[in-house]
Amino acid sequence: DAKTTQPPSMDCAEGRAANLPCNHSTISGNEYVYWYRQIHSQGPQYIIHGLKNNETNEMASLIITEDRKSSTLILPHATLRDTAVYYCIVRVLRSNDYKLSFGAGTTVTVRA
Amino acid sequence: GAGVSQTPSNKVTEKGKYVELRCDPISGHTALYWYRQSLGQGPEFLIYFQGTGAADDSGLPNDRFFAVRPEGSVSTLKIQRTERGDSAVYLCASSLKGRNDNEQFFGPGTRLTVL
Repeated sequence: DAKTTQPPSMDCAEGRAANLPCNHSTISGNEYVYWYRQIHSQGPQYIIHGLKNNETNEMASLIITEDRKSSTLILPHATLRDTAVYYCIVRVLRSNDYKLSFGAGTTVTVRA
Repeated sequence: GAGVSQTPSNKVTEKGKYVELRCDPISGHTALYWYRQSLGQGPEFLIYFQGTGAADDSGLPNDRFFAVRPEGSVSTLKIQRTERGDSAVYLCASSLKGRNDNEQFFGPGTRLTVL
C-alpha cells in the first residue's frame, strides 16, 4: 500500500516558487517525511527531511502540517535545472529501517 | 569527492544470458543498496549490504538474482538467465552506516535491456 500520495505532474515558472504537495494521512508518530528528486538519467538525490517542525536547507523548505497528514516541499526560486521527478517518502528512522520506498513521484517541469 | 559509480552505464543482452552489474560506493561507506527502476516508476528496493554481508535481500525478485560484496566495498549484482522483464535501470546507493542514515547517495544507474 502506498504511504504517500502526490500529484503525477506539475508545471512552474522559472524564478517562481514551486510548491509540491504530499499527502501521508496514515503517517505514524515516529515516521519522518523525506524528499528525494531524480533528474533525468541520474540517480535520486536527497533533498530534505523532517518529523514535525518545518525545515529549511540550501535546496528547499519543508512545511509539515500540524496533524502531520500532509506536507509541502518548497523550491523558493525554481530554475530549469530543478526539472525532475520529486519523491515524497515516509520512513521510520530507527536501527532496522533503511529501505527507501519510492512511489511514482511528481514530475515537475520548470518552464522559462 | 567521488560519488557512487556504476558500470556499465548501458548493457544490452539477449534473453537467457548472464549479466553482471558493478557498483563502486563512496569510500568509507559501509552500507550499500541496490534498487531497480522500471520505466515510469520509482525505484524498488532489491538488497542491502552492511559491510560484506547481505543484511536484507528480501527485494530480490527470484533466485536468478544474486549480489555480492566480498571486501565490503565494490558490489556486483548478478542476473542469470535474463528475461525481457528484467529490463530496467539498476541503481546502486551507499550510505555511511546504513541504519539511521538520513541520506543515501545514488549512482547514475545501469540501464539493462534484455532483447
